[in-house]
Amino acid sequence: GENVEQHPSTLSVQEGDSAVIKCTYSDSASNYFPWYKQELGKGPQLIIDIRSNVGEKKDQRIAVTLNKTAKHFSLHITETQPEDSAVYFCAATSYSGAGSYQLTFGKGTKLSVIP
Amino acid sequence: AAGVIQSPRHLIKEKRETATLKCYPIPRHDTVYWYQQGPGQDPQFLISFYEKMQSDKGSIPDRFSAQQFSDYHSELNMSSLELGDSALYFCASSYRDRGLEQYFGPGTRLTVT
Repeated sequence: GENVEQHPSTLSVQEGDSAVIKCTYSDSASNYFPWYKQELGKGPQLIIDIRSNVGEKKDQRIAVTLNKTAKHFSLHITETQPEDSAVYFCAATSYSGAGSYQLTFGKGTKLSVIP
Repeated sequence: AAGVIQSPRHLIKEKRETATLKCYPIPRHDTVYWYQQGPGQDPQFLISFYEKMQSDKGSIPDRFSAQQFSDYHSELNMSSLELGDSALYFCASSYRDRGLEQYFGPGTRLTVT
């Protein structure tokens, strides 16, 4: 099965600085890589995703890059703000049949943005 | 925009009791996923349904069962509860034609005492 490694487990940055979270995956059949933000007591919120036919995707202050050859993908947050503080999960998906895509998550990164 | 609805939000049960968690997917979504998240851990896939049929099974104990109904809502039934079942249970839904994007509900916090 798929295995997703995520680093670092914790990350503290000053407000306005950039934050980078990195993930690697094991299953070369994985073709979809979403990132989720989870605030305390809430469900994971999909913030950006990338598919295997794309190398980079950007949405305002958030960008994701994918290197299929090396099997790694990264989340970049620029101009961080205190409200970016949360746990971020990367995930990988491979089609499991009958319209279902099982998500395998990394262990999460707790991001703290210091005002 | 409408989101995934889960009920109840909090549930306290004793060991060996049963619990039923409910999930109402985003309107028009036809696929439902259940995940379990222990304290400080990542969500673990349990089971999924597509068009009311079980489509995939993960690390779901035999004591748990689930189904998806004709209105696409889903229920996770948990029997003979154990202390280790205490966790957050999330439901996520997706739409087949855009089936890669899963949207999570707020979760049900189950505490087994």
